[in-house]
Amino acid sequence: GAVVSQHPSRVICKSGTSVKIECRSLDFQATTMFWYRQFPKQSLMLMATSNEGSKATYEQGVEKDKFLINHASLTLSTLTVTSAHPEDSSFYICSASDPLEQYFGPGTRLTVT
Amino acid sequence: AQSVSQHNHHVILSEAASLELGCNYSYGGTVNLFWYVQYPGQHLQLLLKYFSGDPLVKGIKGFEAEFIKSKFSFNLRKPSVQWSDTAEYFCAVSRVYNFNKFYFGSGTKLNVKP
Repeated sequence: GAVVSQHPSRVICKSGTSVKIECRSLDFQATTMFWYRQFPKQSLMLMATSNEGSKATYEQGVEKDKFLINHASLTLSTLTVTSAHPEDSSFYICSASDPLEQYFGPGTRLTVT
Repeated sequence: AQSVSQHNHHVILSEAASLELGCNYSYGGTVNLFWYVQYPGQHLQLLLKYFSGDPLVKGIKGFEAEFIKSKFSFNLRKPSVQWSDTAEYFCAVSRVYNFNKFYFGSGTKLNVKP
């Protein structure tokens, strides 16, 4: 199956700083990528749909000014958590889709101190 | 509210026992259905999917799932589990008109005792 990578796998940052997470589709071009957030013992919650060359579409309740998404190429989408706070600590997972399936990255563990 | 429910949060089985994990959804209309597995420390992997046709779907590693439209269910089954099946299992649903937008259940953690 297709491979999706995320970088970094783990990041610790101080409250008030911004953090960028990269998601890459390594062996196919992904017009659409997705960003999820996973809380402990809970499901993946879809945050936004990232479309190459256009603005991301955010799910209800997700602050677009806080979670900035850029999908500048067919293989790269970035999620920037701006002015991070401890409540933003979570596991962030991206996925890339082709017409038949979504392929998930390994996730990024963000801890805000 | 529209949702995907996995009622079993944690299941413990002995090797060779049979497995059935429940998944129910509340979306109206035509849906696509998926089961993903997440082994410890690894990313989500697709086990099987249903788009249309035969409601009994066979996936990898001996897993199968049955779509019962009248019950809005897509339960995952395996006749005989192995220790290596220890993982977390997620059911997901997408709408036919927006295939790529997935909604996940809360997951079921399966522990298989050797």
